[in-house]
Amino acid sequence: KQEVTQIPAALSVPEGENLVLNCSFTDSAIYNLQWFRQDPGKGLTSLLLIQSSQREQTSGRLNASLDKSSGRSTLYIAASQPGDSATYLCAAVSGGSNYKLTFGKGTLLTVNP
Amino acid sequence: SAVISQKPSRDICQRGTSLTIQCQVDSQVTMMFWYRQQPGQSLTLIATANQGSEATYESGFVIDKFPISRPNLTFSTLTVSNMSPEDSSIYLCSVGSGGNQPQHFGDGTRLSIL
Repeated sequence: KQEVTQIPAALSVPEGENLVLNCSFTDSAIYNLQWFRQDPGKGLTSLLLIQSSQREQTSGRLNASLDKSSGRSTLYIAASQPGDSATYLCAAVSGGSNYKLTFGKGTLLTVNP
Repeated sequence: SAVISQKPSRDICQRGTSLTIQCQVDSQVTMMFWYRQQPGQSLTLIATANQGSEATYESGFVIDKFPISRPNLTFSTLTVSNMSPEDSSIYLCSVGSGGNQPQHFGDGTRLSIL
């Protein structure tokens, strides 16, 4: 059974700092890995998807990496801004016919002006 | 990406009653899913809603408690039956086309049971 762990559970940084969020998963037989953000009272917004054959994906100030063999992914946020404050969730996607997402509990990020 | 609308956005219900949550998508989608997010917990998949056939439930979730309908490729409902305070959660629907396409989520339904 896939289990996903995110560290740290919460992180508070000053504006402008670069930061790294960590995600680990127990079953390396994943189809892909997705990073989402969740704002208070809102649903999830997809940020990045890394295919199992890829090592990293970039979108603007966000860079996600994937190391399948060690069961780890990281989300790097450059030059953080107060608008980046949210909960960040990673989800490992199993293969098969239903593409099931297994989520971590998330990292609550606060960027202080 | 698809625009997903969930109704209601929130509700407060009495113990023992049932509530049906609707999920409407603005385009036809292959896959629709229902998740639960309990307070302080990660999202857990309840079931995959299959068009024209019975939903596929994950371990720990049963059809009698969470009946699901999916009459077409743009709409699904989740009913939370015979509710108890332990059912107080956020319920989210998501859609996907499979492969290496991301899943997209609705804003969720915040459910409180008194």
